[in-house]
Amino acid sequence: GESVGLHLPTLSVQEGDNSIINCAYSNSASDYFIWYKQESGKGPQFIIDIRSNMDKRQGQRVTVLLNKTVKHLSLQIAATQPGDSAVYFCAEKPGGYNKLIFGAGTRLAVHP
Amino acid sequence: ETGVTQSPTHLIKTRGQQVTLRCSSQSGHNTVSWYQQALGQGPQFIFQYYREEENGRGNFPPRFSGLQFPNYSSELNVNALELDDSALYLCASSVQGRGNEKLFFGSGTQLSVL
Repeated sequence: GESVGLHLPTLSVQEGDNSIINCAYSNSASDYFIWYKQESGKGPQFIIDIRSNMDKRQGQRVTVLLNKTVKHLSLQIAATQPGDSAVYFCAEKPGGYNKLIFGAGTRLAVHP
Repeated sequence: ETGVTQSPTHLIKTRGQQVTLRCSSQSGHNTVSWYQQALGQGPQFIFQYYREEENGRGNFPPRFSGLQFPNYSSELNVNALELDDSALYLCASSVQGRGNEKLFFGSGTQLSVL
């Protein structure tokens, strides 16, 4: 079936370190990928997205890498801050469909 | 904040009842999608509405239905509630068309079915 999975359910990092959150997707026909951050009691908040014709995209302190060969997506957060503590979801959009398929999420805990 | 507003924020119902959840989309957005998020899981696509018609549906039974209004706001209706319907229901708005796949989510309605 369709699935977007994550390698690590929980990631603990020290403040100031770089964080890497990984995600495996299963649908080779997906042409769009996106990362969301969800804090307790809130809806998912957009972080960064990337299309399948790209390998890398950078934002402010965040970078998304896409490896279509192994169907792998990663989110890198530079100089992780306490405010980055949240659950992070990757999601994919299969080509021709009007939906995002979300993974189960990774909890990022930032310690001072 | 995304500008997507949902009401109510919390709701408690009993099994067998019916519920209506509401969503106002972000200004300028013409498409609304609904997602169900069970505790500890990622959101699951229910359906999408565009031009007041259903424009894609996930693996949810017919007792999940929706509406979109001319002002692009939307409702999610669930009939014959079951215990497993307890979840956070998220509404997301967007603009239809390639290049606009990014969804902007509201804070959700937490539904508890007892």
